[in-house]
Amino acid sequence: QVHLQESGPGLVKPAQTLSLTCTVSAGSINTDSHYWGWVRQYPGKGLEWLGYIFYNGSPYYNPSLKGRLSISTDRSAKSFSLNLRSVSAADTAVYFCVRAHKLELFFDAWGQGTLVTVSS
Amino acid sequence: DIQMTQSPSSLSASVGDRVTITCRASQSISAFLSWYQQKPGKAPKALIYAASSLQSGVPSRFSGSGSETDFTLTINDLQPEDFATYYCQQGYRVPLTFGGGTKVEN
Repeated sequence: QVHLQESGPGLVKPAQTLSLTCTVSAGSINTDSHYWGWVRQYPGKGLEWLGYIFYNGSPYYNPSLKGRLSISTDRSAKSFSLNLRSVSAADTAVYFCVRAHKLELFFDAWGQGTLVTVSS
Repeated sequence: DIQMTQSPSSLSASVGDRVTITCRASQSISAFLSWYQQKPGKAPKALIYAASSLQSGVPSRFSGSGSETDFTLTINDLQPEDFATYYCQQGYRVPLTFGGGTKVEN
């Protein structure tokens, strides 16, 4: 059964770049049945899909992020990454890495989540 | 973006009850609807996908129904471990969007 684990700093300063990595174990991102991506959850509880990527294809991003987001894969290391530029306090959230079923587009595997706080 | 509206936002129930949660999409999403359960401090867990298909390992007391814009999650014979927050999510069109959640409390 696939296992996802997020890693990265828990505190980022305003205007800087938030960078997270998701390591995939007991599985591989080299699959044609799933996308790999990110979802965040605000302190109030709302969930927001950020984007995902196919192992050998183009990424899909939520337009709400206004071009600040990039997602990339590292097939050799069995991981994928998120970079969110020009962060503000509004980006403070718990960030989950996820696996999305390619046909049904639901999230069938989640990392445990990592809290990222944007503050000076 | 497709807006997903859940109701109620919270409900009170007891062990053994039948619980029903509804989710409405702002436009037709066919059957591209999934349901998740989330407990405090944990990641959401998929329960239902394609509106009515039970995710592997999920107890059969959970069921989903609906199509187009109106969907329902039903929990039969509510168990102590079912007290949690439930979310719907549409997979019909990017950006994928979630409902606001329904907290099932004792």
